[in-house]
Amino acid sequence: KAGVTQTPRYLIKTRGQQVTLSCSPISGHRSVSWYQQTPGQGLQFLFEYFSETQRNKGNFPGRFSGRQFSNSRSEMNVSTLELGDSALYLCASSLGGSGALASAGEQFFGPGTRLTVL
Amino acid sequence: AQKVTQAQTEISVVEKEDVTLDCVYETRDTTYYLFWYKQPPSGELVFLIRRNSFDEQNEISGRYSWNFQKSTSSFNFTITASQVVDSAVYFCALSEAYTGRRALTFGSGTRLQVQP
Repeated sequence: KAGVTQTPRYLIKTRGQQVTLSCSPISGHRSVSWYQQTPGQGLQFLFEYFSETQRNKGNFPGRFSGRQFSNSRSEMNVSTLELGDSALYLCASSLGGSGALASAGEQFFGPGTRLTVL
Repeated sequence: AQKVTQAQTEISVVEKEDVTLDCVYETRDTTYYLFWYKQPPSGELVFLIRRNSFDEQNEISGRYSWNFQKSTSSFNFTITASQVVDSAVYFCALSEAYTGRRALTFGSGTRLQVQP
């Protein structure tokens, strides 16, 4: 079974530009979550999508947005990039569901996209 | 609000030593999940274990063992007979249970260096 894939793996942008990152979850997984990892703030939750709907959102400005497609693939977009957006962006895939199904909750992470903003 | 504290920033041991990574958490939820993840230099977070808040049984998997104590809000991780391949950053994390909300709250991580 293929794991979580993220593209691109590395990205260099300049301040003010926008960027789109892509995540393909494990086949059959319907939930995709995004995390930002920086040396200063550590690992922080950005948002989660399930069945094309944003189900949960972390404490990030509106410049950070995402979406999920009918095949569960997800994209996140960062507009008007700032130097502080330089980070490793990790995508996590899980089965999804709620109630009892939510207990099947381990998340499997992709290799990440390393974004550098100059 | 949830919070996870990993007070040990970095630990260095010699191969074959046992090492324990500490994790203390805070949550107002009565049901929750605790996790441990390993992040090798490649960057990918590798899932190690998930523990339900209502299951305080300790768990052993090969050289790995976990000690969950609800009374002290701790979920410690022990590696027995450490190996160089265990060198990585280890993260403890916490999430809600039964709500379908999967946001993980991570600790700051503990960097483990196992010297040959």
